[in-house]
Amino acid sequence: NAGVTQTPKFQVLKTGQSMTLQCAQDMNHEYMSWYRQDPGMGLRLIHYSVGAGITDQGEVPNGYNVSRSTTEDFPLRLLSAAPSQTSVYFCASSYVGRRQETQYFGPGTRLLVL
Amino acid sequence: LAKTTQPISMDSYEGQEVNITCSHNNIATNDYITWYQQFPSQGPRFIIQGYKTKVTNEVASLFIPADRKSSTLSLPRVSLSDTAVYYCLVGEGDQGGKLIFGQGTELSVKP
Repeated sequence: NAGVTQTPKFQVLKTGQSMTLQCAQDMNHEYMSWYRQDPGMGLRLIHYSVGAGITDQGEVPNGYNVSRSTTEDFPLRLLSAAPSQTSVYFCASSYVGRRQETQYFGPGTRLLVL
Repeated sequence: LAKTTQPISMDSYEGQEVNITCSHNNIATNDYITWYQQFPSQGPRFIIQGYKTKVTNEVASLFIPADRKSSTLSLPRVSLSDTAVYYCLVGEGDQGGKLIFGQGTELSVKP
């Protein structure tokens, strides 16, 4: 299994540009989520999904959209990038249920917005 | 929403036992306590999970008192490679998986 994969690994955007961060998992996990981590900070939950067709907001959802059309994929879209969105983005997945707190994280996408 | 409180940083020396305590006063009945480890430039990695009393695996031990309002992660005989940030999470297991990470504890192991 490849686990949780994220692309791209690094991206530079100009203010106002849009892009999609890709996340995929091959473990048949129902639950997937996106976090952002700013320098020297902990992780903050952006959006999460408990299954295909179901998404919900986390702590910091503004400026980001998500969709979950398949179990495997959970893309994160930035419609109009802002410098405040410069961060490292992590995708995670797990089973849904009592043990869903055991999440598997991807390697991260480093985003720089100029 | 269960919040956690941990020390911001801790220092230790190689070979010592390190205990990191996490406070979670509002833990719910169905919540589990989970600890993650994060190295620089990497995603967090699961270390250990428990509900009550004591759990031990090949990496660490987790001690949870009867009231479950706190937990202690114990790392035996740390090495330089244990230098990382450690996060304590209390999971909303019955509410759809909305897990919130706190600031974490930055552990620095010195030779």
